[in-house]
Amino acid sequence: DAGVIQSPRHEVTEMGQEVTLRCKPISGHNSLFWYRQTMMRGLELLIYFNNNVPIDDSGMPEDRFSAKMPNASFSTLKIQPSEPRDSAVYFCASSPTGVGKNIQYFGAGTRLSVL
Amino acid sequence: GENVEQHPSTLSVQEGDSAVIKCTYSDSASNYFPWYKQELGKRPQLIIDIRSNVGEKKDQRIAVTLNKTAKHFSLHITETQPEDSAVYFCAASTVFGNEKLTFGTGTRLTIIP
Repeated sequence: DAGVIQSPRHEVTEMGQEVTLRCKPISGHNSLFWYRQTMMRGLELLIYFNNNVPIDDSGMPEDRFSAKMPNASFSTLKIQPSEPRDSAVYFCASSPTGVGKNIQYFGAGTRLSVL
Repeated sequence: GENVEQHPSTLSVQEGDSAVIKCTYSDSASNYFPWYKQELGKRPQLIIDIRSNVGEKKDQRIAVTLNKTAKHFSLHITETQPEDSAVYFCAASTVFGNEKLTFGTGTRLTIIP
């Protein structure tokens, strides 16, 4: 398996523009997680899905952020409108579901710069 | 919810010496404790994990210990090498039910040649 695939790897945009980040989890994994990483706040969980259903979105910073998982092999994280403080590395991770299967596998991340 | 504290935030050790990173957690229901290593510009990757039914686990030069009573766990790296330089994150979650990992704030480990 190619692992968790994220696109784009880098995104530079201007304040106010819409940004869409994409993630393809490892085939067969039932859970998908979106994280944001910054120097100031570390690694923060934004939202996670189980069997395509959002389970916990308490980490989503505000209404400008939204996430979807229309099927088991694809998820998006959208920021609209984007702001400079959204600049960060966004990671997607997936894990299998079941007792003893908490291991999360991370994608390579998307480095977002909002000017 | 769970809260994980990690210390120290930075650590420098001479090559060949040992390094120890410590974490405490708040939720007594947590029973799964992984450690992730993140090299500069790379993704976090699992290096070792422990479940609450054991007190220690080893994998070559790395080991993790768990004290459930005190709610703390530690990562031990022996015979450190330059390639051990990275940021290390501890995390906690429950095996059953909620799979959400709560991460510590990270420790930047530098190995001095």
